[in-house]
Formats: sequence, structure tokens, C-alpha cells
Amino acid sequence: DQQVKQNSPSLSVQEGRISILNCDYTNSMFDYFLWYKKYPAEGPTFLISISSIKDKNEDGRFTVFLNKSAKHLSLHIVPSQPGDSAVYFCAGTSYDKVIFGPGTSLSVIP
Amino acid sequence: EAQVTQNPRYLITVTGKKLTVTCSQNMNHEYMSWYRQDPGLGLRQIYYSMNVEVTDKGDVPEGYKVSRKEKRNFPLILESPSPNQTSLYFCASSWLLWTGELFFGEGSRLTVL
Repeated sequence: DQQVKQNSPSLSVQEGRISILNCDYTNSMFDYFLWYKKYPAEGPTFLISISSIKDKNEDGRFTVFLNKSAKHLSLHIVPSQPGDSAVYFCAGTSYDKVIFGPGTSLSVIP
Repeated sequence: EAQVTQNPRYLITVTGKKLTVTCSQNMNHEYMSWYRQDPGLGLRQIYYSMNVEVTDKGDVPEGYKVSRKEKRNFPLILESPSPNQTSLYFCASSWLLWTGELFFGEGSRLTVL
């Protein structure tokens, strides 16, 4: 039973355009939602988070939107840069766990 | 420098030969956890520890053991490795878990023949 889903395994975007990565969840008890970024041969690194009581959080080029009624969140990257090419994991947290989705591989084409 | 250190980074072993993957963090974090990453499945939690001497099973604990005798160390033990434990393993730590901000090690790629 996958509590966090990322239905797009991969995404290609032109440099300078917007990248939108989507995530759906089933667990209504998550306190926070997060996005992690992972480059090959490195561990995941925290990118941005949003509390379950908010609907938007922004940090520079990265914005996360949360739609609780639809149990959906998305990460917007504007403008996309080649260095953003990586695997992005969506995750939800409860008291003692962080549950990750399967990841979306983003390629930003120069 | 704040970091989570895993060793070994790469290991090829044979079925049944016990091995330990070490994990150490220098951030005084209470929470530590082990994940495995497999294609199409993302990061799945193996075991976690909320504090010293407190450990608990994650979603895929079968075939693994852990211990937390000191705050900084959280080794992952495979008593009798099998080929289905071939995977990429990550150790992570956190000060305030409920916000979900985990610090990850660089990963340990394990192959069991």
C-alpha cells in the first residue's frame, strides 16, 4: 500500500521553462510534506517543505503547493536550470516516520 | 562539517556471509534511520531509532538488525545476506523528525551474489 505516489517516473523540460512535479498521498495524518533532491552517487538532500496547515511555501525558484482536499502536492521550479536535473522524491511525515514516494527523474534540457 | 558517514560505500559479498554497514553522524541528532532504494520503489524504511537503546521496525525490516548503543552510531547488520538484499542503502539522521528534514549519508551500494 503506497502512501505516497509519484505517477510520473520521468519528466523533461526545456531550460528556462517551468518544471511541475506532482505527488499524491493517501495518509491524512501526515504533519509535513517535503521534497528531496537526489543526484547520482549522492544521498538525497532536503529541498523544501510545507506544513499540513499551509497551502503554499516558496523558497527562491522553488514553490510547493498543497491541496489537502485532493490529497495532492506539487513542486514548481521556475525557471528550470540544467543543474536541476536530478531525481525528486516527495515525502510525508508523521510522528516517527518519513514516507517517500518512488521519485520522478527530471531532465532539464539546455 | 555536519555529516552522516556510511561505510563501506561499495561492497560485493556472497550469500550467507554476515556483514555490517556502519553509520555515524556528528550533529548530535536523536533520530536515525536506515532506508533502501530500489528502482520504482523509492526509499523504503528498514529500521529507525528515536534515541539511544530505542529501535523500531520500518516497512521492510526482514533480514536486517540494528543497534543504537551510542547516539552517534547506528549500524545496519545483515546476519545472512541474500540476493534480494542487493540494493542501495542510505542512513539518515534528524533532530526534529516531525518536520521531516533528514540528513542523508552518501549511500552504500551492496551486491549479494
